[in-house]
Amino acid sequence: AQSVAQPEDQVNVAEGNPLTVKCTYSVSGNPYLFWYVQYPNRGLQFLLKYITGDNLVKGSYGFEAEFNKSQTSFHLKKPSALVSDSALYFCAVLSGGYNKLIFGAGTRLAVHP
Amino acid sequence: GAVVSQHPSWVICKSGTSVKIECRSLDFQATTMFWYRQFPKQSLMLMATSNEGSKATYEQGVEKDKFLINHASLTLSTLTVTSAHPEDSSFYICSARDPMSGNPNEQFFGPGTRLTVL
Repeated sequence: AQSVAQPEDQVNVAEGNPLTVKCTYSVSGNPYLFWYVQYPNRGLQFLLKYITGDNLVKGSYGFEAEFNKSQTSFHLKKPSALVSDSALYFCAVLSGGYNKLIFGAGTRLAVHP
Repeated sequence: GAVVSQHPSWVICKSGTSVKIECRSLDFQATTMFWYRQFPKQSLMLMATSNEGSKATYEQGVEKDKFLINHASLTLSTLTVTSAHPEDSSFYICSARDPMSGNPNEQFFGPGTRLTVL
């Protein structure tokens, strides 16, 4: 079955430090992977995606993610965290013949001043 | 481009009443829209896939008679929660696919609707 795992419920980072939010996936065929961010009582905002090509994908707000096929991972990273990055982050994969988005459970990122 | 709106952004209703939520694609025509619900501190769960001009496809466990979906035009899908009960209180989010985008399978999300049933 297609699935996405975000092993950490919460990640705590000091402002200015690098951050990593982990995501692993399980799909048949080539994965289409996404990262979204959600602020309180808001919908999802697109951060970045991997479809094909370079394994390192750069996205919005200074975020990037690295696709690792051998480890079936797509971790989200940022070199220097901001307090305003504090939010809920979702990893997702297109499934069902690329018709459905399967979401991970979400990881809450807390960046402390 | 690829902006999706939802209306209302929040709604409070009494138990037993019906509530309609609208999802609109503002600058593109969406042949396919999706409805998700999200409980507090949980992930998004797909409820149904809505195709313009045809019946929606519901995920397993979602009651189609309770959650009525209508996709009558290429820019509008509606979700009606019929005979709402407190357990239906949730955050409902829609998304839409733009067939003319670089990746036609990518979904663009609305801002969500917070439903509270008293």
